[in-house]
Amino acid sequence: AQTVTQSQPEMSVQEAETVTLSCTYDTSESDYYLFWYKQPPSRQMILVIRQEAYKQQNATENRFSVNFQKAAKSFSLKISDSQLGDAAMYFCAYTGTASKLTFGTGTRLQVTL
Amino acid sequence: EAGVVQSPRYKIIEKKQPVAFWCNPISGHNTLYWYRQNLGQGPELLIRYENEEAVDDSQLPKDRFSAERLKGVDSTLKIQPAELGDSAVYLCASSYMGGAYEQYFGPGTRLTVT
Repeated sequence: AQTVTQSQPEMSVQEAETVTLSCTYDTSESDYYLFWYKQPPSRQMILVIRQEAYKQQNATENRFSVNFQKAAKSFSLKISDSQLGDAAMYFCAYTGTASKLTFGTGTRLQVTL
Repeated sequence: EAGVVQSPRYKIIEKKQPVAFWCNPISGHNTLYWYRQNLGQGPELLIRYENEEAVDDSQLPKDRFSAERLKGVDSTLKIQPAELGDSAVYLCASSYMGGAYEQYFGPGTRLTVT
């Protein structure tokens, strides 16, 4: 079974600074996708960024980018120029041949002035 | 485009009572998911539908939980009878198809069982 581990329960970053959230996963599959989801207090999960395992190039979406290390099974999220609206729970998630998302336990990100 | 709609947003019931949650997915999305999110945890899949067929219900506690997706559109998740441990947020999501297609989530229903 696939597992997703987020070892940072909470992180804090100052506005305009950069923060990196960590995620590791375990799988025996070669074809899979990795995601970062954001969950604000409103509870609605929002997709931040997606990475296909077969792509070597790291995905980027505006201020959000990932560092995907396939051999190390590591998938970290970097948020640049942090904004107050980035404060939320961030979940790393995996999907493979079973077509279901397996989530980590989340990292709560605080953004301070 | 309307997002995934769920109702109710909040529900408080006493243990042993029944409860039902309703989900209306994004128009045209064939795949519908129900997740349960316990406090401080990530969501866990309960059941996945492809159109009206439940293709993955391995994590659904079938002794007390049931779900249906009539005509491959709306879906209802029911718990009968509810237990204290069922207190959680129940999230519905939909996607165009399964696999790596982006899942769009609703706002969830927060269930409190007293």
